Amino acid sequence: DAGVIQSPRHEVTEMGQEVTLRCKPISGHDYLFWYRQTMMRGLELLIYFNNNVPIDDSGMPEDRFSAKMPNASFSTLKIQPSEPRDSAVYFCASSLGTPQETQYFGPGTRLLVL
Amino acid sequence: RKEVEQDPGPFNVPEGATVAFNCTYSNSASQSFFWYRQDCRKEPKLLMSVYSSGNEDGRFTAQLNRASQYISLLIRDSKLSDSATYLCVVNHGGADGLTFGKGTHLIIQP
Repeated sequence: DAGVIQSPRHEVTEMGQEVTLRCKPISGHDYLFWYRQTMMRGLELLIYFNNNVPIDDSGMPEDRFSAKMPNASFSTLKIQPSEPRDSAVYFCASSLGTPQETQYFGPGTRLLVL
Repeated sequence: RKEVEQDPGPFNVPEGATVAFNCTYSNSASQSFFWYRQDCRKEPKLLMSVYSSGNEDGRFTAQLNRASQYISLLIRDSKLSDSATYLCVVNHGGADGLTFGKGTHLIIQP
């Protein structure tokens, strides 16, 4: 079985540009999570969806960040405009039954904003 | 704020030794607990759940102390391949997802 798929794996962009990160969760999983990981702050939950509906977006840092899940097999995280402090690894994860069950992470997108 | 605190390390341990590290959590209503492992430049992966009575999985033992609000991970007969960052993870319940600690970096030396 394919695990969680993320693209791109690496992204280098300039400040002010729009960045779109993509995620395909494991088929049949009801929950999808977006995390950001930095050395300083560790792994932070940005937002999570249940059956394509956003449940908790309290971790989204500001209005420059937005996330969508148009269907059960696809989600995007968009940053517009990007800033150097957005540089981080962005992980997508999915889980089966509840937000507290085992989460399966994708390989992450390494974002560098110059 | 719901905190999960870990000693970041690094813990430098000779191969074959036993190593243990703890994690403390701030929310006494927390319901379930996990240890995840993250290799360098890789994604986190579930290592083991932590049950109230304590549990073992091969060389790994996890324990929970609700009174003192900490969980621990013990690794016996450590292997070079155990070198990784170990993330303490807590479920606070309700609609919240999981809260991850920043991790403890473990280096097993030959």
